[in-house]
Amino acid sequence: NAGVTQTPKFQVLKTGQSMTLQCAQDMNHEYMSWYRQDPGMGLRLIHYSVGAGITDQGEVPNGYNVSRSTTEDFPLRLLSAAPSQTSVYFCASRQGQYNEQFFGPGTRLTVL
Amino acid sequence: SQQGEEDPQALSIQEGENATMNCSYKTSINNLQWYRQNSGRGLVHLILIRSNEREKHSGRLRVTLDTSKKSSSLLITASRAADTASYFCAPSYVGGTSYGKLTFGQGTILTVHP
Repeated sequence: NAGVTQTPKFQVLKTGQSMTLQCAQDMNHEYMSWYRQDPGMGLRLIHYSVGAGITDQGEVPNGYNVSRSTTEDFPLRLLSAAPSQTSVYFCASRQGQYNEQFFGPGTRLTVL
Repeated sequence: SQQGEEDPQALSIQEGENATMNCSYKTSINNLQWYRQNSGRGLVHLILIRSNEREKHSGRLRVTLDTSKKSSSLLITASRAADTASYFCAPSYVGGTSYGKLTFGQGTILTVHP
C-alpha cells in the first residue's frame, strides 16, 4: 500500500492564484482530513470528511474548499491564495472515528 | 478548543536519560493517541490508550492515562538521538461536536543530545 499520498511536494503561488492540493489514500478509509502547520501553531484542522459526499469545516476553513466524490480522494482547493496561507499542508486518513490516523508527507506552499 | 495541550513546549536531555511529556484534555474521551513528527515530515502514530486503560507500553514508550484528571503522559526511556522530534497528543473525544474531528495541539519539541 502507498498509504496517504500528496501532490505536489512544493508549490509557489502568487497572491490571487488558485490551485488544488491533491490527496489520495489506498486504505479504503472512511475519514479524511486536511491540516495546516505553521511555526509555533501546531496542526490546525481545515476541513474533514467522514465519507464520500460528506464534508465539514474544521478550525480554520476560510479560503479553502474541499469535496469528496470518491473514498480515495480528498482534494483541497485554494480559491484565491493569500500570503497568510503560506504553510505546510498535511492530509490524513483513518478508518472510523476512534482509530489511529495516517498522515501524508505534506505539501509546502509559499504564497508571494 | 478541543485539542490536547502538551507540556512542556520544549524538552532537552542527554542520550540515555528518560523523557516525560504530558497532555491535558477537556472532556470525555474514547481514547488518547500520541504521535511523533520528525522535522518536516508527516506525523506518525505511536500509541493509542483507551479510556478504560491506565497504562500501556510499546518498546521504550510508556503511556499513562488518568481520566479523573483528564491527563496523559508519555515516557520515553533510555532516549536516543533518533528520538529527537516533536510529539503530539490527540484526544479522541466522544461524539457530539467532535464527530469526525481529530485535533492536535502545539506539541512538545524533544531534543536528545548525543
